[in-house]
Amino acid sequence: DAGVIQSPRHEVTEMGQEVTLRCKPISGHDYLFWYRQTMMRGLELLIYFNNNVPIDDSGMPEDRFSAKMPNASFSTLKIQPSEPRDSAVYFCASSRRTYEQYFGPGTRLTVT
Amino acid sequence: AQRVTQPEKLLSVFKGAPVELKCNYSYSGSPELFWYVQYSRQRLQLLLRHISRESIKGFTADLNKGETSFHLKKPFAQEEDSAMYYCALSRGSTLGRLYFGRGTQLTVWP
Repeated sequence: DAGVIQSPRHEVTEMGQEVTLRCKPISGHDYLFWYRQTMMRGLELLIYFNNNVPIDDSGMPEDRFSAKMPNASFSTLKIQPSEPRDSAVYFCASSRRTYEQYFGPGTRLTVT
Repeated sequence: AQRVTQPEKLLSVFKGAPVELKCNYSYSGSPELFWYVQYSRQRLQLLLRHISRESIKGFTADLNKGETSFHLKKPFAQEEDSAMYYCALSRGSTLGRLYFGRGTQLTVWP
């Protein structure tokens, strides 16, 4: 099993552009989490899904951020329009009704 | 509300010295506590959980409900222990959701 897969691994974009991050969870996992990691704020939970349904999106910074999970094997996190302060590493993680979350390698986003 | 606090953002020790990474929590119920670790260029991964009462890579952590702490300890640090460590809490009633601290970057000098 390749584990949680994220793409792209690195993204550099200009302010104002739309950014889409992708995640494929581990097969059979019914929880999916999106996190943002920065030096200043550490690891922040943005949103999480259970059985493809968003459960808690209170961590989503603002309306510029949106996340979808159209099926059990795919999720996206979209930022539109992007801003320099969105620069961070974005992690996707999945789990199966347990506290052991399996993290992807992350997407390093740079907004210039 | 629940909260996990890691008071040290950075911690440096020399190889062979004892190391303790502090974690305090606030939660009115019965939490489950965990330590996650992220080595350089690797994925964040579970290191240990308090209910297992196990030692992983020489690390141990004891849940102290009186002091609401879950400090991570190792008697003799190794260079390969250098990593970012996150303390996390589960409310138990909310399956899947973890509350993470802000992390402590541990550097072990040779």
